[in-house]
Amino acid sequence: NAGVTQTPKFQVLKTGQSMTLQCAQDMNHEYMSWYRQDPGMGLRLIHYSVGAGITDQGEVPNGYNVSRSTTEDFPLRLLSAAPSQTSVYFCASSYSMDRANLPLHFGNGTRLTVT
Amino acid sequence: GQNIDQPTEMTATEGAIVQINCTYQTSGFNGLFWYQQHAGEAPTFLSYNVLDGLEEKGRFSSFLSRSKGYSYLLLKELQMKDSASYLCAAPGGATNKLIFGTGTLLAVQP
Repeated sequence: NAGVTQTPKFQVLKTGQSMTLQCAQDMNHEYMSWYRQDPGMGLRLIHYSVGAGITDQGEVPNGYNVSRSTTEDFPLRLLSAAPSQTSVYFCASSYSMDRANLPLHFGNGTRLTVT
Repeated sequence: GQNIDQPTEMTATEGAIVQINCTYQTSGFNGLFWYQQHAGEAPTFLSYNVLDGLEEKGRFSSFLSRSKGYSYLLLKELQMKDSASYLCAAPGGATNKLIFGTGTLLAVQP
């Protein structure tokens, strides 16, 4: 199993550009989520999905869209990039969040810089 | 609401024992996680506690006191490779999904 795969690893955008961060998992996990990690702020939840066709907002959803057309894929779209979105983005998945003891599996992250 | 607090940084010596504390405030409680994150890498799962007491896994142990809203991660026989950030996390917040503390950066010195 590859686990959770994120692409790209690094990205530089100009203000106003749009892009999609890709996330795929091959563990048949129901639950997928996107976090951003900033110095001194910890990991903050952007959006999450409890299954194909179902998405919901996390703590910091503004400026981001998600979709979940398949169990495996959960892309994150930046609609119009802003410097405040400069961050490290992590995709994470779990078999099910209904069972609270199941840990999240993280991808290796995407380091995004918006100039 | 949900609040998770842990120290920002700690320093310890190779071979020693270090305890990293975490306090949490939640409207409900559904377990507490510890993750390890090396610089430039993804967080990886270390432990999960839902009942009071100590859970031991080799050199790492995690303790929970639900009445005090308190947990700690105990690292024994420290090695240089243990230099990393240690993240405390619990389900909560408006979404009842996993919320993380800001992490404790541990530096292990020779």
